[in-house]
This record gives sequence, C-alpha cells and structure tokens, in this order.
Amino acid sequence: AQSVTQLDSHVSVSEGTPVLLRCNYSSSYSPSLFWYVQHPNKGLQLLLKYTSAATLVKGINGFEAEFKKSETSFHLTKPSAHMSDAAEYFCVVSEDSGYALNFGKGTSLLVTP
Amino acid sequence: ETGVTQTPRHLVMGMTNKKSLKCEQHLGHNAMYWYKQSAKKPLELMFVYNFKEQTENNSVPSRFSPECPNSSHLFLHLHTLQPEDSALYLCASSQELTAAGLNTDTQYFGPGTRLTVL
Repeated sequence: AQSVTQLDSHVSVSEGTPVLLRCNYSSSYSPSLFWYVQHPNKGLQLLLKYTSAATLVKGINGFEAEFKKSETSFHLTKPSAHMSDAAEYFCVVSEDSGYALNFGKGTSLLVTP
Repeated sequence: ETGVTQTPRHLVMGMTNKKSLKCEQHLGHNAMYWYKQSAKKPLELMFVYNFKEQTENNSVPSRFSPECPNSSHLFLHLHTLQPEDSALYLCASSQELTAAGLNTDTQYFGPGTRLTVL
C-alpha cells in the first residue's frame, strides 16, 4: 500500500528566502507523485507532477521537486518565497491499483515580510 | 464558466434534513470524484465515477448517496447526517481512468462546499 508522510505540519519562512517542504512516500512500485496547493477558501491546484520521466520536475509559480528513489523522497522547493505562496501544500501519491490518490496531511506555509 | 464548479459553497443543515451538493466540470473529463476534507486529517476519497459508472465506494456510510447523470455533473445527496460529517466536500475531475485502473492523470478540484451539520 502507498502512503505519504509530510514531515512538517507548519513551515515559516521570510519573504525572499528559500522554501523547502518535505515529503516521504512508501510505494511498492514506481509511483506517480504530485504536489497540490490549497489557498484559503479555494480548491486544490496542481503545482507539479512526477510520472517516471525526469526526476527533477518543474511546476508553476517557480516551484520544483526532485524525485529521489533511494531516499523515497519528493521534497518541494522554491528559491525565493513570495507572500502569495502562503497556503496549505499537499504531497500526493497514486495507488498502484484502484483509483485513489493518497494525500499527506498537509504542510501549512507561512511567509513573513 | 471554466474548470470545476461546486454549489452551494456553504451549507448548514440539521440532522434530519435532506440536501444535495452539486458539482459541474467544464473540462470535457470523464472521471469525477468526491473527497471529504476534515480538519487535521488527510483528504479522504469517497466516490469515483468513470464514464458515469461508479468505480469506487470507499466504505462511505449510506447517508451519503452519489449520483452521476452524465460525465459533466456529479451530485452528493445527503440524508440524516451526523455532526461529525461537518467538513469541506471537494469535487474533482480528471481525463479518465485507465483500463488498468491506474490514476496518473491530474485531478482538477472545485472550490468545495463547506458543510456544517447541527
């Protein structure tokens, strides 16, 4: 069975500094991995997606994530945080059978001036 | 309108009421999903439809009844809910599910319906 662990429930960074949101997964085969973002009172929006192509995936709004099989990690990074990046971020892994996406519990990103 | 829309955005209901949540997608997708998002818990998949056929019911209580009349519309009928059912209910759609049942397509989410059961 697949599962996702987001290692930090809250992350606080200053505007202009790098962002690192950590995610580890467990999967019995080569998974598909996603990062979604949810702004207050909004639905979830896809940031980026990994599906066994390049291990470094670039997404929207300057975010990127690197798939590291040896570490079973898929951390999300951004070189310079913007105030508008403040939101809830979800790491997601697809199941190897069935239709579900397994969501992590989310990391709340706070960006301070 | 574009994307995935949900109505109503907010709903307050008593435990004896019957109400319905509506989801509509304007993306030409064939798979639609209902998720429940409770505070401090991961998103929980409730139901999946692929080409109007229900393909997954994730052990959801019968007081939640989905309906998918066509590939663009998805409803969630609610009846005799409990206070613990209060949550954000999210609808999503994706292109379709593969023959192998694998789900690698991007899911597009609506803004959700914030449900409060009194």
